[in-house]
Amino acid sequence: KAGVTQTPRYLIKTRGQQVTLSCSPISGHRSVSWYQQTPGQGLQFLFEYFSETQRNKGNFPGRFSGRQFSNSRSEMNVSTLELGDSALYLCASSLANREAFFGQGTRLTVV
Amino acid sequence: GEDVEQSLFLSVREGDSSVINCTYTDSSSTYLYWYKQEPGAGLQLLTYIFSNMDMKQDQRLTVLLNKKDKHLSLRIADTQTGDSAIYFCAERRGGGADGLTFGKGTHLIIQP
Repeated sequence: KAGVTQTPRYLIKTRGQQVTLSCSPISGHRSVSWYQQTPGQGLQFLFEYFSETQRNKGNFPGRFSGRQFSNSRSEMNVSTLELGDSALYLCASSLANREAFFGQGTRLTVV
Repeated sequence: GEDVEQSLFLSVREGDSSVINCTYTDSSSTYLYWYKQEPGAGLQLLTYIFSNMDMKQDQRLTVLLNKKDKHLSLRIADTQTGDSAIYFCAERRGGGADGLTFGKGTHLIIQP
């Protein structure tokens, strides 16, 4: 069974640009959640999607958004990038509100 | 407090047992998790425990849960060099409304 796949693995963007990250969950999992990991703030919850609907959202500005498609794949978008958005972005896939399996992450560097 | 608390570092000798401790925040948390993160990698789910259990064992891993004190621990028996990593404790708070809440992680350092 394939795990959670995140693409791309690495990204370098310039301040002010926007970026889209992709996450393919484990087959059959309908819940996808996103987290930001930075050395200073640690792991912080961004948002969660279930059956194409955003269920929950963390305390992040509106520049951070996401969506989920009918095949459960999810994308997150960050607009007007700031230096502080440099982080490892992790996606997690769940079957129910129990195990959460993470992908390898996308390392975003904003210059 | 609001944070999931973990010690930042733990150093153990190869072959000894490692015990990583965590204090969580929400008495209504449903599930509690341990994740492992190696350099440059994502989070690997090691084990999780439902809040109505007090112990779970899985090969070299033993999880103990003390709900009264909101204390969770992970014991790794016969620690090996491959266990060197950062270990994160996480809780899924009541209702699961905010995803998982993580501690800052414990760096496990293995001495030969």
